[in-house]
Amino acid sequence: GQQLNQSPQSMFIQEGEDVSMNCTSSSIFNTWLWYKQDPGEGPVLLIALYKAGELTSNGRLTAQFGITRKDSFLNISASIPSDVGIYFCAGPSYNTDKLIFGTGTRLQVFP
Amino acid sequence: SAVISQKPSRDICQRGTSLTIQCQVDSQVTMMFWYRQQPGQSLTLIATANQGSEATYESGFVIDKFPISRPNLTFSTLTVSNMSPEDSSIYLCSVLEDRNSPLHFGNGTRLTVT
Repeated sequence: GQQLNQSPQSMFIQEGEDVSMNCTSSSIFNTWLWYKQDPGEGPVLLIALYKAGELTSNGRLTAQFGITRKDSFLNISASIPSDVGIYFCAGPSYNTDKLIFGTGTRLQVFP
Repeated sequence: SAVISQKPSRDICQRGTSLTIQCQVDSQVTMMFWYRQQPGQSLTLIATANQGSEATYESGFVIDKFPISRPNLTFSTLTVSNMSPEDSSIYLCSVLEDRNSPLHFGNGTRLTVT
């Protein structure tokens, strides 16, 4: 079945550094979504991408829908302590409304 | 976006018992889903809650273990039946307001089975 692999699995960075993470699949997706999950809470949508090649920003976050439609990237600039959490990519399973989630990237930011 | 309230937010339950989790949305939504997140893992879809009919379960999940109700367009319940320690997870309700909207989540129910 469709799978989404995220890398890196975890990151430990200094406050102020930029962060880059990616999500790849062996199959094509028509939509890419990026969520963030804080401890004890449900995932919150950060960015939605709907077209191949699309580059979308939300504050310090920028995400891109890969040209091949098999990958997506999320960048965070000038990280701050509240960026700590788990970042998940997600995409709809073929021809359905059901979302498949990536394996997650755990981000830790040190002051 | 819709406000999603889940109850309880957490519970500690004895092996062999059952727990029903409620999900209330402040507006009518097209679709409701239930996900499970095992410790340190990603989210796995349990089932789609269908209004007025039986839920649609994903591979590896069955109705006897996870009965689901959705009596209307704003409310759903998930029951975790005959619990074992392996059922210790976060259970998350999620909704699609309409087919052009992305999926939104409640805060989840953190279940610990002892």
